Amino acid sequence: SQQGEEDPQALSIQEGENATMNCSYKTSINNLQWYRQNSGRGLVHLILIRSNEREKHSGRLRVTLDTSKKSSSLLITASRAADTASYFCATADTTSGTYKYIFGTGTRLKVLA
Amino acid sequence: NAGVTQTPKFRVLKTGQSMTLLCAQDMNHEYMYWYRQDPGMGLRLIHYSVGEGTTAKGEVPDGYNVSRLKKQNFLLGLESAAPSQTSVYFCASRPGQGHTEAFFGQGTRLTVV
Repeated sequence: SQQGEEDPQALSIQEGENATMNCSYKTSINNLQWYRQNSGRGLVHLILIRSNEREKHSGRLRVTLDTSKKSSSLLITASRAADTASYFCATADTTSGTYKYIFGTGTRLKVLA
Repeated sequence: NAGVTQTPKFRVLKTGQSMTLLCAQDMNHEYMYWYRQDPGMGLRLIHYSVGEGTTAKGEVPDGYNVSRLKKQNFLLGLESAAPSQTSVYFCASRPGQGHTEAFFGQGTRLTVV
């Protein structure tokens, strides 16, 4: 079963607006990461937040993590047409004792110019 | 520095045929992963490896075999392809234990007819 579930599945906004997407997961984690996938391409790492961190920033990206609710959110501020892509959260599953990266189902973001 | 390279990029197989997908990384990474991506399903882990000579099953291992004879290569084999294995396959690697990102290849689009 999927570890992470993103919400919403699809999001359409105007350029300049902020985009927020959420991720929920099921088990204990070591860290949570967000990745971006342009159509037909591989995934590219955006940002990593450790389980003992609550918030992290990188450029126009802001990530929060609430381990009590097993959820994370990714905020993209002042969105651009080039931000159009699918966004995935990934958790490092430590329950098995090894590092399996489990990905969610993704949020498809469309930024309209 | 090529990163993670997948071969081939596209392939059409007939049901029952076999093939091997090659993933090569030049970053001296310990961990390597094979995922499949299907519409609406996100990425699902097929098999992974935590070092040369080791392999382990992921979420959806049935119908696939893997080998990691050399540290830089991770091979995914389909012994008898089925239409249900039509998918886009992604390979990823990461340095090892700890808080590190995964690096992805560009994907292999496989169609089984």
